[in-house]
Amino acid sequence: ETGVTQTPRHLVMGMTNKKSLKCEQHLGHNAMYWYKQSAKKPLELMFVYSLEERVENNSVPSRFSPECPNSSHLFLHLHTLQPEDSALYLCASSQSPGPNEQFFGPGTRLTVL
Amino acid sequence: QKEVEQNSGPLSVPEGAIASLNCTYSDRGSQSFFWYRQYSGKSPELIMSIYSNGDKEDGRFTAQLNKASQYVSLLIRDSQPSDSATYLCAVSGNTPLVFGKGTRLSVIA
Repeated sequence: ETGVTQTPRHLVMGMTNKKSLKCEQHLGHNAMYWYKQSAKKPLELMFVYSLEERVENNSVPSRFSPECPNSSHLFLHLHTLQPEDSALYLCASSQSPGPNEQFFGPGTRLTVL
Repeated sequence: QKEVEQNSGPLSVPEGAIASLNCTYSDRGSQSFFWYRQYSGKSPELIMSIYSNGDKEDGRFTAQLNKASQYVSLLIRDSQPSDSATYLCAVSGNTPLVFGKGTRLSVIA
């Protein structure tokens, strides 16, 4: 296990459900990230937070809503998802945003029915 | 559009051989280069970072960087079956990392 934890590890939800993914980092980092990883595709950066401020949003649909209450916690709120949103959702953290090594959590495997 | 290209593989090497993984990138302003290993169903794990031209060695792993050719590689000496995984190249200038699709490595016992 790394210094980045994610819950839940697996999630199955219907298209009308609302759920949240949680990420916590214990590394004292100031930047946190959400990535989506689908089969046969590269990691897709979704959101970047630096010191609780969102600094990057890569044209992610509004059915994904991030929240960063402090520099150690990051949430991804999900509502009215589509089956194509099924993927591995990874949280990562780094000392600061930019050209720094990132450390990943174990991920949440999401299945949308 | 900043791009990082990797051969998707699979790259198959016999146990004990040297595995060579390659990556090219499009942004000439890139400063930081990383290799991650990802086992099936797991999250990426950082194994090497390199910031200047030349070679950097860490145990059985050697990262090589050539900024003029916009090329970074990872060599794995004495490959073991436990090295079988997908290896992701990640590159950054002043922005968050851009990842390649990864190369799947299979080490045959």
